[in-house]
Amino acid sequence: DIQVTQSPSSLSASVGDRVTITCRASQGIRSDLVWYQQKPGKAPRRLIYAASTLQWGVPSRFSGSGSGSGTEFTLTISNLQPEDFATYYCLQHNSSPLFGGGTKVEIK
Amino acid sequence: VQLVESGGGFVKPGESLRLSCAASGFPFNDAWMTWVRQTPGKGLEWVGHIKKKSDGGAAEYAAPVKGRFSISRDDSKSSLSLEMSSLRSEDTGVYYCTTHFPPESWGQGTMVTVSS
Repeated sequence: DIQVTQSPSSLSASVGDRVTITCRASQGIRSDLVWYQQKPGKAPRRLIYAASTLQWGVPSRFSGSGSGSGTEFTLTISNLQPEDFATYYCLQHNSSPLFGGGTKVEIK
Repeated sequence: VQLVESGGGFVKPGESLRLSCAASGFPFNDAWMTWVRQTPGKGLEWVGHIKKKSDGGAAEYAAPVKGRFSISRDDSKSSLSLEMSSLRSEDTGVYYCTTHFPPESWGQGTMVTVSS
């Protein structure tokens, strides 16, 4: 099975900061990766699919990228806003879908 | 898009439970549908998904639930079901119905607690 390692597990940041979250797959998964945002008590919300395609309605300060090898993926939040403090998850769906462990973005 | 799960509750290990999801706001018969759960032990976990009938209608399952859980759909009612049997304590969590695979829109979730 393909394993997914998400890092960091948590980070502290200030409004206006640029934040980067990484997911590494144990083998190449092409662009079969999705990013979600989850706030306490709420269902996850899809932000990015196909590694870098922004979901309709999601602010453009969110962006996703992937390496050519299909093993390293990044979610970047530019100009962090108060509503962005949440937990973020990646999901690889190339085979036997697996979510990352999550990254909690907290206020510094 | 609206997805409303129901059927969660408190059951003992070994018992069964059926979850339902009422869907609206999109062409249900044209959508693959997915169940995802969020457990204290493993976080977010794909449970399984079911293809639309025109793609064969087959379901696929995560290893921990294969043989115990069954996903079905009723396109005439825009309804998705998750039949769970031989429940274990590690199945405790919030179960979400989602559109498509990989998941796009999510319901609010329904809580399942398995405990003696």
